[in-house]
Amino acid sequence: NAGVTQTPKFQVLKTGQSMTLQCAQDMNHEYMSWYRQDPGMGLRLIHYSVGAGITDQGEVPNGYNVSRSTTEDFPLRLLSAAPSQTSVYFCASSYDNQETQYFGPGTRLLVL
Amino acid sequence: DAKTTQPTSMDCAEGRAANLPCNHSTISGNEYVYWYRQIHSQGPQYIIHGLKNNETNEMASLIITEDRKSSTLILPHATLRDTAVYYCIVLPRGGSEKLVFGKGTKLTVNP
Repeated sequence: NAGVTQTPKFQVLKTGQSMTLQCAQDMNHEYMSWYRQDPGMGLRLIHYSVGAGITDQGEVPNGYNVSRSTTEDFPLRLLSAAPSQTSVYFCASSYDNQETQYFGPGTRLLVL
Repeated sequence: DAKTTQPTSMDCAEGRAANLPCNHSTISGNEYVYWYRQIHSQGPQYIIHGLKNNETNEMASLIITEDRKSSTLILPHATLRDTAVYYCIVLPRGGSEKLVFGKGTKLTVNP
């Protein structure tokens, strides 16, 4: 199993540009989450999903959209990037909400 | 807001036990204590979790006080590869998709 994969590893955007951060898992996990991590800080939850077709907001959802059309994929969309969205983004998945989460390697995003 | 308090940093000599404390004085009866670690900006990695009994796995031991207001993560024989930020997280069973991370403890293992 590849586990949780994220693409791209690194991205530079200009203010106002849009992009999608990809996240995929091959463990047949129902639960998936997106977190962001700013320098010197812990991770903060952006959005999460408890199964295909079901998503919900986390602590810092503004400026981000998600959808979950398949069990395997959980993309995170930035509609109009802002410098405040410069961060490292981690995707995670778990079999259910009682199991531990497995994290991807992260995407480093720089918005100029 | 994170429900836990951890020291900002700790040091440990290689080969010795590393004992990382965590205070969670407002923990509820249905909440578990989870430990994750993050090595050099990689994705966090699960270590161990427990409710009220002490737990041990191949990575670490978790000691929870009888009143459950604090716990200690023990790495029995720390290596240089254990240098990381360690996060203590309290959450109810059935909430693992919504982890709340504080700033954690930066553990430095010295040769």
